[in-house]
Amino acid sequence: QVTLKESGPGILQPSQTLSLTCTFSGFSLSTYGMGVGWIRQPSGKGLEWLANIWWDDDKYYNPSLKNRLTISKDTSNNQAFLKITNVDTADTATYYCARIVIFNYGSYFDYWGQGVMVTVSS
Amino acid sequence: DIQMTQSPSLLSASVGDRVTLSCKASQNIYKYLNWYQQKLGEAPKLLIYYTNSLQTGIPSRFSGSGSGTDYTLTISSLQPEDVATYFCQQYNSWPLTFGSGTKLEIK
Repeated sequence: QVTLKESGPGILQPSQTLSLTCTFSGFSLSTYGMGVGWIRQPSGKGLEWLANIWWDDDKYYNPSLKNRLTISKDTSNNQAFLKITNVDTADTATYYCARIVIFNYGSYFDYWGQGVMVTVSS
Repeated sequence: DIQMTQSPSLLSASVGDRVTLSCKASQNIYKYLNWYQQKLGEAPKLLIYYTNSLQTGIPSRFSGSGSGTDYTLTISSLQPEDVATYFCQQYNSWPLTFGSGTKLEIK
């Protein structure tokens, strides 16, 4: 059974660094074709993909967030992490982590965490 | 970036209706398209991958089709539990992008 759960600070101030953790079970990030992605959703709005990390430590980032994102993993402890530097109110959102799987014709997010709400406010 | 445009943004239909949701890409995405369902207060759920492949456990009333820039999610007989927002997502190129969603209601 695959499960993922996000954790984060809840609230932080502008210019701070947001650190998120995704703790998962039921799969390994050392297995070929497995990855974890981060996606966020402002309240009442759409989904924005942020970053992916793959079993081989390959990483992809959304260039719209320029150099503010860092994704990493701890395979031994079944965790993935996302840091966003210099946050502002536009980063207020629910943040999801999701398993991403490679198959013959690409990839998809097949399991998602419940999401963690993050508010940026002074 | 590839822009994904979904229409309509809001759709109201009756139980038992055949419902069609549209997703249009700003360039050819070669069928590299997934569909997700998000119910209120929940995380998104994968319905369809690679345009027309039904994810395990998803009812067969859901189907997908399309090619090039135009894609469709069809619900053959709308059920009350299908009330949700539906998002398409392309994976032809980075960055991955989602449509803005179609909110489906029961009339």
